Amino acid sequence: EVQLVESGGGLVQPGGSLRLSCAASGFLFSNYWMSWVRQTPGKGLEWLANIKQDGSEEYYVDFVKGRFTTSRDNAKNSLFLQMNSLRVEDTAVYYCAGRGPATSGAFDIWGQGTMVIVSS
Amino acid sequence: QSALTQPPSVSGAPGQRVTISCTGNSSNIGAGYHVHWYQQLPGTAPKLLIYVNTNRPSGVPDRFSGSKSGASASLAISGLQAEDEGDYYCQSFDRSLSEVFGGGTKLTVL
Repeated sequence: EVQLVESGGGLVQPGGSLRLSCAASGFLFSNYWMSWVRQTPGKGLEWLANIKQDGSEEYYVDFVKGRFTTSRDNAKNSLFLQMNSLRVEDTAVYYCAGRGPATSGAFDIWGQGTMVIVSS
Repeated sequence: QSALTQPPSVSGAPGQRVTISCTGNSSNIGAGYHVHWYQQLPGTAPKLLIYVNTNRPSGVPDRFSGSKSGASASLAISGLQAEDEGDYYCQSFDRSLSEVFGGGTKLTVL
């Protein structure tokens, strides 16, 4: 079964840090661009970051540049998001998503999401 | 404010056809970038519904169809069913090297 499973979410104080993980199974992880997308409560989807298949390229939305870093370990079929200097407005459900070669950039695999709450 | 504009809500009776528009500009859809559509049912993660403007992944019923023209795209759902109720999002790419989503459209089946 094709699957992405996020973990690492939780409650953190403003200014704090959190590291999210995403475990992939059922597909050839090293063939996929991977991404992070978040959804704030009751609102829409926001793209955060992309990382190339071999980890050699990373792209970020402006409002997380310098605060968030994505990385991957293809040997362990895992994706990570290191989030620093967290703000209240970063409170959201965070999804990892895979972008396969057959769908030309579409997010064709999604995890179930992990909730991050930034609050004092 | 989202880079792609969608109507906040649409509705239709079972069996009817509805369309959801997605309007971009010359930096994203109008620049020729593909449009993808996602369905998010209540309490679940988004699911790819249409990729590269018009293509359905395996398992998506042919009641769902996509189109693109100029700087806009549309998702059509025919033969509406109660289980189609949820949120629908369009997504494309922008010359600023960002992925962009629409604000989402809530579909209500009356």
